[in-house]
Amino acid sequence: GQQVMQIPQYQHVQEGEDFTTYCNSSTTLSNIQWYKQRPGGHPVFLIQLVKSGEVKKQKRLTFQFGEAKKNSSLHITATQTTDVGTYFCAGPARGGGNKLTFGTGTQLKVEL
Amino acid sequence: GAVVSQHPSWVICKSGTSVKIECRSLDFQATTMFWYRQFPKQSLMLMATSNEGSKATYEQGVEKDKFLINHASLTLSTLTVTSAHPEDSSFYICSARGGDRGSQPQHFGDGTRLSIL
Repeated sequence: GQQVMQIPQYQHVQEGEDFTTYCNSSTTLSNIQWYKQRPGGHPVFLIQLVKSGEVKKQKRLTFQFGEAKKNSSLHITATQTTDVGTYFCAGPARGGGNKLTFGTGTQLKVEL
Repeated sequence: GAVVSQHPSWVICKSGTSVKIECRSLDFQATTMFWYRQFPKQSLMLMATSNEGSKATYEQGVEKDKFLINHASLTLSTLTVTSAHPEDSSFYICSARGGDRGSQPQHFGDGTRLSIL
């Protein structure tokens, strides 16, 4: 079945360091979405990428969709304590129905 | 915009009790709602897709008689965990999306932490 894996599973950084999480799908995706879940909270939509090789930026966050549309990355420049949380990528599930398959997630901890 | 309200936030109840969780889209009409289950430090596992006016579609391995879903209006879906047991304890989250275009993002409720004693 379709699998969406993310690495690393956990990442501890010092405030000010950069952070990157990688998302890899076993199948080609028509689009990829990124969500952030704060500890104890619910996932919040960050962005959607649609085009092959697309790059989008949101302040310190840079999102990239791979040329083959099977992988994606999220890079945070100069992390802050407010970046703490788990970052999930998600792509349309096989079989349609507007379902999403969520990645395994990367938990980010930022230390002062 | 795109606010989804989920109630209750916490439930602690005895084994054998049935628990109903509500998911409401407050400022948009949600043709489709999704119910997820999340274990600590794990990803979201889709349980079922709830479509307004029709039967829910359950994912493989999810007991439809155990987890009853009703989507009676464009703004409300409910999940009832029937005769809950300790193994049903988990974090349940709903999400909603408006429209039929597959690329629209999902908006999540705050989630319900269910603890069965």
